[in-house]
Parts: sequence; C-alpha cells; structure tokens
Amino acid sequence: GENVEQHPSTLSVQEGDSAVIKCTYSDSASNYFPWYKQELGKRPQLIIDIRSNVGEKKDQRIAVTLNKTAKHFSLHITETQPEDSAVYFCAAITLTGGFKTIFGAGTRLFVKA
Amino acid sequence: SQTIHQWPATLVQPVGSPLSLECTVEGTSNPNLYWYRQAAGRGLQLLFYSVGIGQISSEVPQNLSASRPQDRQFILSSKKLLLSDSGFYLCASDATGGAGVNEQFFGPGTRLTVL
Repeated sequence: GENVEQHPSTLSVQEGDSAVIKCTYSDSASNYFPWYKQELGKRPQLIIDIRSNVGEKKDQRIAVTLNKTAKHFSLHITETQPEDSAVYFCAAITLTGGFKTIFGAGTRLFVKA
Repeated sequence: SQTIHQWPATLVQPVGSPLSLECTVEGTSNPNLYWYRQAAGRGLQLLFYSVGIGQISSEVPQNLSASRPQDRQFILSSKKLLLSDSGFYLCASDATGGAGVNEQFFGPGTRLTVL
C-alpha cells in the first residue's frame, strides 16, 4: 500500500540554525502535501502545505519544497527558535478511497537555546 | 472553518471493558472523517476512515470498530479493551473540494489509558 517515509526521526539544532526534514511518498496520485506541528500533548496543527502544481512555498521562516518526479518533499525552518521544538509530521493526500491522508512517522525537533 | 469535538478528553479503563469515543464536526457537511491513534512518542496510525454515513474503511486489523450514524458524527468502539489500546486517539475531518483538497482538521484528542 501507499506509505510516506520521513527522516530524520530526531533532529537537534542550535537556536538560529536551520532545520530540514525530508519526506518521500510512494503514490504518484498524491497531489497535496501538508506539514503539521504537534506540541507535547496537543493536537497536530497545520503549519504549511503545498500542492502538486507548485514546486516551492514559503511563509516567513518556514518553507516547503516539492519534487514530484522524485516524490520528495521537504520542510525547511530557518532561524530556529526554542518554540519551534515539537514533533513535525509530513503527509501526502492520495486520490484513491476518498482523499485518504498518509502521515510520515514524525520528526522530533529540539532547538537548543 | 471546521470545529471538531471529541469526548471524553481523558479516559482510564480496565482491560476487558468496553469503549466508546465520540467525535462530532461543525462547520462543514459531508466531510471525510478519520480516527487516528498515536502511541506515546510515536507517529499517527490511521485506524478508520469514512467518506459518508455508514461507510467505514479499516486500515489495520484490531479489536476496535467504528461507526458513522450521522453525517458529522464518528464513533470509535471496542467490546473488550486490550492494554495495547492505550494511546492518544485523534478524530480528524477534511472536506473534498473538487480539484482542491483541503487540510485535515484535528479534534483535541482523547487520551486513553488501559490498566
């Protein structure tokens, strides 16, 4: 079946450095790729998304890139801050079975002050 | 935007007891609904999804079941809980939008501990 691989599982950076999280999906029918941030004990919240007709999208310190040929998409956080510490999930929306969302396993980001 | 309600927020149940978690959605009609489980420190595991009333798809074999008696109501149940059922259960909703696919909105979650 379809799957999404996410790397790394844990990432530790110094405050002010950049963080990059990468995902690879398997279903070529996927056309929507959201990223979620989940703080401890809370629900996942959408932080940025990208659609298959776009290669890159930026929102302040956060950017997402998509390579449809390679089925890769990545989250880039610049000038990281301690409040960026959380678990980040990528996801890919497939068109079969009614817009089913497949999540990556998550990346735990630690930003050290 | 959509609002998703889940209850209870926390639940402690003995092994072998039944379970019923409820999720209701406001602000949209005919949404796709999902139940996810998140074990401590782990990712999101899709358990069930529903594209309409009475339509349930199961992703993994387990002792859980789901039902959708109304358009905006999704229920997760079990007849006999196992220790391995402990986790954080999230209900999510999205709306099909033709060529555009909308984000998934998550409910606040139910933290289930099976003892």
